[in-house]
Amino acid sequence: DTEVTQTPKHLVMGMTNKKSLKCEQHMGHRAMYWYKQKAKKPPELMFVYSYEKLSINESVPSRFSPECPNSSLLNLHLHALQPEDSALYLCASSQGGWGVDYEQFFGPGTRLTVL
Amino acid sequence: DQQVKQNSPSLSVQEGRISILNCDYTNSMFDYFLWYKKYPAEGPTFLISISSIKDKNEDGRFTVFLNKSAKHLSLHIVPSQPGDSAVYFCAASAGSQGNLIFGKGTKLSVKP
Repeated sequence: DTEVTQTPKHLVMGMTNKKSLKCEQHMGHRAMYWYKQKAKKPPELMFVYSYEKLSINESVPSRFSPECPNSSLLNLHLHALQPEDSALYLCASSQGGWGVDYEQFFGPGTRLTVL
Repeated sequence: DQQVKQNSPSLSVQEGRISILNCDYTNSMFDYFLWYKKYPAEGPTFLISISSIKDKNEDGRFTVFLNKSAKHLSLHIVPSQPGDSAVYFCAASAGSQGNLIFGKGTKLSVKP
């Protein structure tokens, strides 16, 4: 298995909803990342987990809550989002821990729309 | 302040010709550079990378050139194919920081 999978592909939620995004990789990678990408902009790093521990939080609002249940799974819990949070949310992984391997492999993303 | 710049938002090339995508950076601490290709509604796909100790890396039709003194890198695609039409992102990383800094992307269109 040489890919990063993300579910769901699309998500529409209201501002009072609670939802979760899921990311999975079975390549034995030890670092996993959440990025946010708005239209026609580059991906922006949100969180980094290295060896299942949160290593980086790029000052992301608390309405986004990451979780790494095990080395293969990464979740992003969403609560009380704003319409401006609508974006493509990308998960990525890299073989080594944080700062070891530079090549990050991305999943297909979840297209989130907040109404 | 943009540390990684892709000054051409778009590029159009004829099939079979060479595509040259450019990227400039300002942070002299960057020591690893990557190119990603992105189709609409998909995640970026890693294409090719280069370490700062090299000035060229080649993989099939793709070659990346690094000019450290000019803080410039370029991606050459030869020959270009219609399937290469996508947005290309340049990214850079500084040692133990590990964080990838992306440029804004260049949309490449390869016309048959």
